[in-house]
Amino acid sequence: RKEVEQDPGPFNVPEGATVAFNCTYSNSASQSFFWYRQDCRKEPKLLMSVYSSGNEDGRFTAQLNRASQYISLLIRDSKLSDSATYLCVPPGLWSQAGTALIFGKGTTLSVSS
Amino acid sequence: EAGVAQSPRYKIIEKRQSVAFWCNPISGHATLYWYQQILGQGPKLLIQFQNNGVVDDSQLPKDRFSAERLKGVDSTLKIQPAKLEDSAVYLCASRLITGELFFGEGSRLTVL
Repeated sequence: RKEVEQDPGPFNVPEGATVAFNCTYSNSASQSFFWYRQDCRKEPKLLMSVYSSGNEDGRFTAQLNRASQYISLLIRDSKLSDSATYLCVPPGLWSQAGTALIFGKGTTLSVSS
Repeated sequence: EAGVAQSPRYKIIEKRQSVAFWCNPISGHATLYWYQQILGQGPKLLIQFQNNGVVDDSQLPKDRFSAERLKGVDSTLKIQPAKLEDSAVYLCASRLITGELFFGEGSRLTVL
C-alpha cells in the first residue's frame, strides 16, 4: 500500500456541519503527526501538531488510530472560511534526526452557506 | 519573526532552458527542505538539508535538478534543462526541532 493515502474529496458541506477526514499510512515509527491547511494558490500552513494520540483545538480535533494506521481530522460547526485543502502528515516518517515529512495528496473541503 | 523567503514568485521559461530558485529559511532553523507541488497533488520532497549537508536527495532527479546550501543558511534549487513536466510550485520549508514545517510562499514555474 502507498505510504500515505487521503480521500481527495471534494467534501461539500453546509455551514454548521461536522466533517471528518481520514488519512491512512504505513511504515509507522513514531506518534507525532500534523495536519496542514492549504488555501488555493497559497502555501501549506500548519493547522495542528499532535505529539500523542490526539489533540483538540477549538472546533478541530485530530486523532491517531495506531492499530488501524490512520489519523483523522474532525471539524465541527464548519465555517465558510474552512474551505481549503487539508494535507495530512502521518507519523512514522520523521524523527529528531530530521527525516523528511511526507504529505498526503490532500482532501478538499468546500463549505457553503 | 520573519518567515521563509523565496524568489522569484513566478517564472515562465521554455523547455530546455534553465531556472534557479532561492530560499532563505527562518533564522536559526537548521533543517531546510525543497518540495515540488504539482497542481492537485500534495507536496513531494525533492531534497532535505541539515545545515549545509544533504540528508535526503533520493527523490531529486539529479540529471536535471541540483540544490545547494553552501553556508548552511540560504539555499538554491536549479533545474537545467527544464521539461514540461517540471511545471509546478517549488516550495521551500524550514523546520522547528519539534517537527513542524514552515513554508515559503513558493515559486511557481511554468515550462512552455
